[in-house]
Amino acid sequence: DAKTTQPNSMESNEEEPVHLPCNHSTISGTDYIHWYRQLPSQGPEYVIHGLTSNVNNRMASLAIAEDRKSSTLILHRATLRDAAVYYCILLYTGNQFYFGTGTSLTVIP
Amino acid sequence: DGGITQSPKYLFRKEGQNVTLSCEQNLNHDAMYWYRQDPGQGLRLIYYSQIVNDFQKGDIAEGYSVSREKKESFPLTVTSAQKNPTAFYLCASSIYRRQGINTEAFFGQGTRLTVV
Repeated sequence: DAKTTQPNSMESNEEEPVHLPCNHSTISGTDYIHWYRQLPSQGPEYVIHGLTSNVNNRMASLAIAEDRKSSTLILHRATLRDAAVYYCILLYTGNQFYFGTGTSLTVIP
Repeated sequence: DGGITQSPKYLFRKEGQNVTLSCEQNLNHDAMYWYRQDPGQGLRLIYYSQIVNDFQKGDIAEGYSVSREKKESFPLTVTSAQKNPTAFYLCASSIYRRQGINTEAFFGQGTRLTVV
């Protein structure tokens, strides 16, 4: 399974944009890039996913590098409710959802 | 409302006892998964099932067993053979991903098992 690398932790001030990086240098052409986040003592929730083009939804934006070896999850205005662990994972047909340790985001009021 | 339900939220058992964690979904999803999470760690895959009456081991299946007799249900049994059963257990479901179809996983709220 293709692996991803994320920083262990990041901090952001409230109402400022946050850029969460993910490296996936062994990504294959059919791997989708997924992001999930997990609040304390809860199950992870889906945030966004993409294949090649940048993606936007109501929660976040996903910027994918041209060579697809890295991606960035963008939270446009961090709120205290965005404090969570963010997971970047790669999926292809029939693959399972393998999670790493993720990035713990702290939002400072 | 469609969703995935785990019960109970908290579970206490004595060492040496088997215990079964419930996971039910009404999303009509083919695939279901069980994960274990230890404090400060990511999720590790225990078992997964892509279709009724079929399931496969994940990375840490030893000491666990599952069944998939119905599409909606995927119970996990933590047996006495599991050396460190105290953990947070998460169940998830998704549409079975075929070529060209990519979907997200939906997670339950988890069961926190404590073995004393």
